[in-house]
Amino acid sequence: DAKTTQPPSMDCAEGRAANLPCNHSTISGNEYVYWYRQIHSQGPQYIIHGLKNNETNEMASLIITEDRKSSTLILPHATLRDTAVYYCIVRPGSGNTPLVFGKGTRLSVIA
Amino acid sequence: NAGVMQNPRHLVRRRGQEARLRCSPMKGHSHVYWYRQLPEEGLKFMVYLQKENIIDESGMPKERFSAEFPKEGPSILRIQQVVRGDSAAYFCASSPPGLGYNEQFFGPGTRLTVL
Repeated sequence: DAKTTQPPSMDCAEGRAANLPCNHSTISGNEYVYWYRQIHSQGPQYIIHGLKNNETNEMASLIITEDRKSSTLILPHATLRDTAVYYCIVRPGSGNTPLVFGKGTRLSVIA
Repeated sequence: NAGVMQNPRHLVRRRGQEARLRCSPMKGHSHVYWYRQLPEEGLKFMVYLQKENIIDESGMPKERFSAEFPKEGPSILRIQQVVRGDSAAYFCASSPPGLGYNEQFFGPGTRLTVL
């Protein structure tokens, strides 16, 4: 079972920042937080991952709380093409392990 | 560098037939994962393979399903005697060799419809 809890759906206006929360209160010390998204019927796409420090790449930023029990994925300027299901995944720290997907958050970006 | 390739993209089978789904990982990747997504549900892990070895098949149904990743050629997910409940999207992912927190790259999926 997934070790994360996410809201089932969110809306965001185009051009605004989308902030997607995730709770992972039982995360272990060596587990990373990964974010993937799945745009309608396509294969999931990796977005970002982090251990305890905030991370940023060309797609998004990941903010992890100091106690590591929750995190927020930030899409700084959401576009219509960001409409997708976003999955927050806690991954065991022994490398090359399968991903355990929960139900994710369905983000709708509205014009 | 081409991404993960899966074929066919769509497959229609009648009950009792066999389905063969193929996955070619990204160049240099030696780890392959298969996931299944039933209609209106999330993705579920099925099996994890390295070249010529099954590492973890804990998510694979015990009967009718098998997977292989030969030394040469694509990974194959084989479903024998398909039933309507096998209708789903099957996604393959690959990752490079070595330890570490390597991201998995997903293919476009094969949509299996069982009539």
